[in-house]
Amino acid sequence: DGGITQSPKYLFRKEGQNVTLSCEQNLNHDAMYWYRQDPGQGLRLIYYSQIVNDFQKGDIAEGYSVSREKKESFPLTVTSAQKNPTAFYLCASSTLYQPQHFGDGTRLSIL
Amino acid sequence: QQQVKQSPQSLIVQKGGISIINCAYENTAFDYFPWYQQFPGKGPALLIAIRPDVSEKKEGRFTISFNKSAKQFSLHIMDSQPGDSATYFCAASIGGNTPLVFGKGTRLSVIA
Repeated sequence: DGGITQSPKYLFRKEGQNVTLSCEQNLNHDAMYWYRQDPGQGLRLIYYSQIVNDFQKGDIAEGYSVSREKKESFPLTVTSAQKNPTAFYLCASSTLYQPQHFGDGTRLSIL
Repeated sequence: QQQVKQSPQSLIVQKGGISIINCAYENTAFDYFPWYQQFPGKGPALLIAIRPDVSEKKEGRFTISFNKSAKQFSLHIMDSQPGDSATYFCAASIGGNTPLVFGKGTRLSVIA
């Protein structure tokens, strides 16, 4: 079954800690995206990548980092510089002129 | 600066009624307008989408109406059912393989 797998489903971060959220897709999609969802705020773009080894900042990239070493993987690191990391993080992928497909998210909370 | 404005924030509809959610956009370069449905704890799932060369698209009980001159588009859910209770997001993008700009969402409750 093709799809996007995000892990873990729930994640807790301690003060000063970096945490990494995993996103893997087996849809052979070229582009991958990370969005942050807060209650009443819709989805806001953190980073996106249209090709391996290249990525662009979105609207709220501060305090986050990404890598795209493989086509199927686009991990997101939430660094200690992100002062308000509590949110629902959604990964998506797409191929040219096809709709974006989303994973089922990772909920990050602060300990 | 919010590029896609969505209303209402929440909506309560009787079973069998029509649910209507509206969105307005500012960037005339947008050329793809999808609607997503999201259930609690899940990622959004594509419901229906439209491009600006048509004014209406219907899929089952779901219809998108698009008004290019007014820069507005709306989702109509006919014969609304309790299973339609979810959060709905409109979005817009430019070209292919580009990020979506989302509205803030509408929480729909369909009551029996």
